[in-house]
Amino acid sequence: GENVEQHPSTLSVQEGDSAVIKCTYSDSASNYFPWYKQELGKGPQLIIDIRSNVGEKKDQRIAVTLNKTAKHFSLHITETQPEDSAVYFCAATPYSSASKIIFGSGTRLSIRP
Amino acid sequence: GAVVSQHPSRVICKSGTSVKIECRSLDFQATTMFWYRQFPKQSLMLMATSNEGSKATYEQGVEKDKFLINHASLTLSTLTVTSAHPEDSSFYICSAAHSSGGANTQYFGPGTRLTVL
Repeated sequence: GENVEQHPSTLSVQEGDSAVIKCTYSDSASNYFPWYKQELGKGPQLIIDIRSNVGEKKDQRIAVTLNKTAKHFSLHITETQPEDSAVYFCAATPYSSASKIIFGSGTRLSIRP
Repeated sequence: GAVVSQHPSRVICKSGTSVKIECRSLDFQATTMFWYRQFPKQSLMLMATSNEGSKATYEQGVEKDKFLINHASLTLSTLTVTSAHPEDSSFYICSAAHSSGGANTQYFGPGTRLTVL
């Protein structure tokens, strides 16, 4: 089955700097990669996703890159702000009818003022 | 769009009682919903996949007789924790699969904090 590894587990960056979170996956059948942001005491919120036919996707300050050959994908947050502080989860899933999502272990991002 | 609600948001119960948690997709129909539990500072652990009109599929190690799942309509799935014990205390989160742009994206509810005394 699929296994998703995520690094780092914690990340602290100065406000205004960039943050990068990296994930690897094991199953070459996975072709949909969502990223979720979870604030304390709340459910995960989808922030961006990418499919395996795309190498990069950007939405304002957030971007995701995918290297299907190497089986790794990354989340990039530029110009970080205090409200970016949260736990971020990467995930992988086959692009089929409501397949299970396999989550990474999460990255706790802290933005220093 | 793609809003998922959960009720209640927080529940405290005595050991041995049963607790029902509702998960609703508010603005879309979901043939498939998922139930997760999350312990502090850990990732989400899938408990079961709930399919409308059929039996739920449970992950290995999850007791189906303890965690009863009912998906009676395209907008509602319920999780009942039967004979709850303190070790069942956790954050329970549901998600609903929505076909947005061709991808079956999962949208999560806000979670339910269960505390068993």
